[in-house]
Amino acid sequence: GAVVSQHPSRVICKSGTSVKIECRSLDFQATTMFWYRQFPKQSLMLMATSNEGSKATYEQGVEKDKFLINHASLTLSTLTVTSAHPEDSSFYICSARAEAGPNYGYTFGSGTRLTVV
Amino acid sequence: GEDVEQSLFLSVREGDSSVINCTYTDSSSTYLYWYKQEPGAGLQLLTYIFSNMDMKQDQRLTVLLNKKDKHLSLRIADTQTGDSAIYFCAESGSSYKLIFGSGTRLLVRP
Repeated sequence: GAVVSQHPSRVICKSGTSVKIECRSLDFQATTMFWYRQFPKQSLMLMATSNEGSKATYEQGVEKDKFLINHASLTLSTLTVTSAHPEDSSFYICSARAEAGPNYGYTFGSGTRLTVV
Repeated sequence: GEDVEQSLFLSVREGDSSVINCTYTDSSSTYLYWYKQEPGAGLQLLTYIFSNMDMKQDQRLTVLLNKKDKHLSLRIADTQTGDSAIYFCAESGSSYKLIFGSGTRLLVRP
């Protein structure tokens, strides 16, 4: 079945530094990747949608300069949290979508717990 | 806009059936999904139903869809302690974005 690898699973960084999170589709080509943010005991909030080779589409209220998304290939998307602050601490989850074939549908990564101190 | 709502909490005894309910607003939804999330983990797809279906059964899981009322339910038969988790329903509309409900925390009591 479809597998999405997300790294790192957990990261602690100092306030003001940047953190990069990777999302890879291991056995399929992901036409579209999604980035979500989840606060404790809350639902997933869609941050942005990224398509390979084009600029990401950000949801309302999400700062594109704060959360940089790069979708350089059909198997890799990265989310960089720039100049991180404690309020950016959260659980970030990526999802990859295959448009056809046996892996059709959405597959989620295992998430990244970001703590900014 | 799109909106998905769920009840927040459900507690059942081991061996009983669990029914988790969900309502949605986007009538153009093509697929509706149920995901399971265990603490500190990502989302695991449990099952999905195509919008032209009324029911789908997969082992202990039964999904019912009432398209007229925009109501979706997930029934877990013979609920086990390992089923304790948060369950999210989600819809995908024409934009291919998944819109999630608030999640239902299922607690299975021994």
